[in-house]
Amino acid sequence: AQTVTQSQPEMSVQEAETVTLSCTYDTSESDYYLFWYKQPPSRQMILVIRQEAYKQQNATENRFSVNFQKAAKSFSLKISDSQLGDAAMYFCAYRMLQGGSEKLVFGKGTKLTVNP
Amino acid sequence: NAGVTQTPKFQVLKTGQSMTLQCAQDMNHNSMYWYRQDPGMGLRLIYYSASEGTTDKGEVPNGYNVSRLNKREFSLRLESAAPSQTSVYFCASSEAGQGVPSQNTEAFFGQGTRLTVV
Repeated sequence: AQTVTQSQPEMSVQEAETVTLSCTYDTSESDYYLFWYKQPPSRQMILVIRQEAYKQQNATENRFSVNFQKAAKSFSLKISDSQLGDAAMYFCAYRMLQGGSEKLVFGKGTKLTVNP
Repeated sequence: NAGVTQTPKFQVLKTGQSMTLQCAQDMNHNSMYWYRQDPGMGLRLIYYSASEGTTDKGEVPNGYNVSRLNKREFSLRLESAAPSQTSVYFCASSEAGQGVPSQNTEAFFGQGTRLTVV
């Protein structure tokens, strides 16, 4: 079964500093997608960044970037120049194909605190 | 742009009561999902539907039933609520579906329903 592991239940960072959130996953597939979602106190799930496994280049979205290590099955999220609005729960997710349909499997999340 | 709409946003039930959580999407998506979120557990898949008329169990289906009423709507029913079902429930949808691959991989989520069973 595919699993997603986030080993850091909580992280904190000073405003304007950089923080890295870790994620590892287990899969036997060769082609798949990985995601980071952000959940602020409003509960809304917001897509931060996605990575296609067949692409060697790490995805970036403004201050957010990933370090995708396919062989190690690692997918970490780096947030640069952290802002107070980055404080949220962050979930790593794996998109799996099963029986011709697709679904997302989530990790347990990392709570990020940004200190002023 | 409505996206994914869930109702209600909050609900308190007594043990043994039944209720249905409603979800509708206006993006013509093929797949729809129900997740529950509990502290320290992330989001766990309850049921999903890859196309109109089909449903499949996810990781934690016990105590729940679902109906894919049409392409837009996917409801989650608790027949006899238990305190263990106290949770935040999310509906989501995505473009890909049964036999319908899509490069648009993003899943869109509703605002969630906070359900308390006492």
